[in-house]
Order: sequence, then C-alpha cells, then structure tokens
Amino acid sequence: EVQLVESGGGLVQPGGSLRLSCTASGFTLSSYWMIWVRQAPGKGLEWVANIKQDSSDKFFMDSVRGRFTISRDNAKNSVYLQMNSLRADDTAIYYCATLGVSYNYGYYSYYMDVWGTGTTVTVSS
Amino acid sequence: ERVMTQSPATLSVSPGETATLSCRASQSVKNNLAWYQQKPGQAPRLLIHGASTRATGIPARFSGSGSGTEFTLTISSLQSEDFAVYYCQQYDWWWTFGQGTKVEIK
Repeated sequence: EVQLVESGGGLVQPGGSLRLSCTASGFTLSSYWMIWVRQAPGKGLEWVANIKQDSSDKFFMDSVRGRFTISRDNAKNSVYLQMNSLRADDTAIYYCATLGVSYNYGYYSYYMDVWGTGTTVTVSS
Repeated sequence: ERVMTQSPATLSVSPGETATLSCRASQSVKNNLAWYQQKPGQAPRLLIHGASTRATGIPARFSGSGSGTEFTLTISSLQSEDFAVYYCQQYDWWWTFGQGTKVEIK
C-alpha cells in the first residue's frame, strides 16, 4: 500500500524548534518532488515548502523562509521539515505529499498527489 | 498571487442528488487546477487534476470541467461517503487553495 506517515509534531513554546519527518512506504520517494502543506485549526490549506528529487532545488513560502529548512534522505525514503523560531501562527496540522507532474503549454506543473496522515504542531506558552 | 474563490461555502444536498461546486481564479491558471476532498480528521485526497482528469481510484460520479478562470466540480448521485469539504487548488504558479465548500446532508 502506498503510504506517507508524518511524525515529530507536538507542543512547543514560541521561539522553539521542531523537526518533522515524513516516511514513505509502498513506493520509492526518490522519484518525486516532495512538499509540505499545513492547515491551521479551522482554516484552509497552504503550501509551506518543497524539495526536488536530488535536493538541488528548495522553495519556501514567504512567512517561513529563513526559519524553516527542508531536506530529504532518499536512502531512508524520508523527507524532513526543520522548523526554528516557531510562532503561534505556525500552529497547524502539517502534511507531506508527493507532487504529481503534468506537462502542458510548454512547461511542467505539479499537483499534490499522495498525502500523508498529518502531524500536529502547537506553538503555545 | 492567484486567489482562488469557491462557492458556495456550504451546499446542502440530498443523497442521490447532484452537487455542483464552483471555483474561480483571480487570473488564468489554464487547466492547472486540482480538486481535493477532505473528511473530518483526515488528510485531503486528490480527486481531479488537470481540471478534468480523475485521479487513480476516483469514481466516475466525480467530474471536473473548466479552464482559465472558471471551474466546476460535479458530483453525481451523491453517496453518504461524499459528504465532506472540497477544495480547489491552482498549481499554475506555485500553489494556492480555495477556502473550501462543505457538502452537507440536506
């Protein structure tokens, strides 16, 4: 069965750090761009960061750039999100997902395909 | 930023009926539009990509249409398991989601 499982969430004080992990089973994660998406309580979904198959490209949303880093270990079939200087507005469920690819209009575009189960991050004193 | 606006916020439908959900983009996203279903306590699930291509394992009662700025998700003959929140998402320029449409039992 194709599956992604996140871990590492928890309660942390403002200014603290957490490292989230996302591990794949049933498929090889190294073939895919990977992405982290979050959902604040009662709110919608927003993209956080993404990473290319060989880690050569990494991108971040504006509000986490400089505080979060994304990495992967293809040998361990895992991707990670290191979150530093956490703030209350980082409180959310964090999901990892694979990116499916389509080629139209002369360029590649990427949609979120297989999603993990999510891990909850709560930033509070 | 491409802003995605979904309507209505809540849709009350009886089982067996058809639900029609709308999604509008603030500027053209071509056909780089996906739909996701999310049930309480679960992760989103990909239903449609490329505006109209069903993802693997998605029943034929789910269909998507549109291009440019106007998109529609149609769920025919609603089943009990279809009552959920549905999000549209553009992936033409980075990724942005709509605020969701909740499909509830009438």
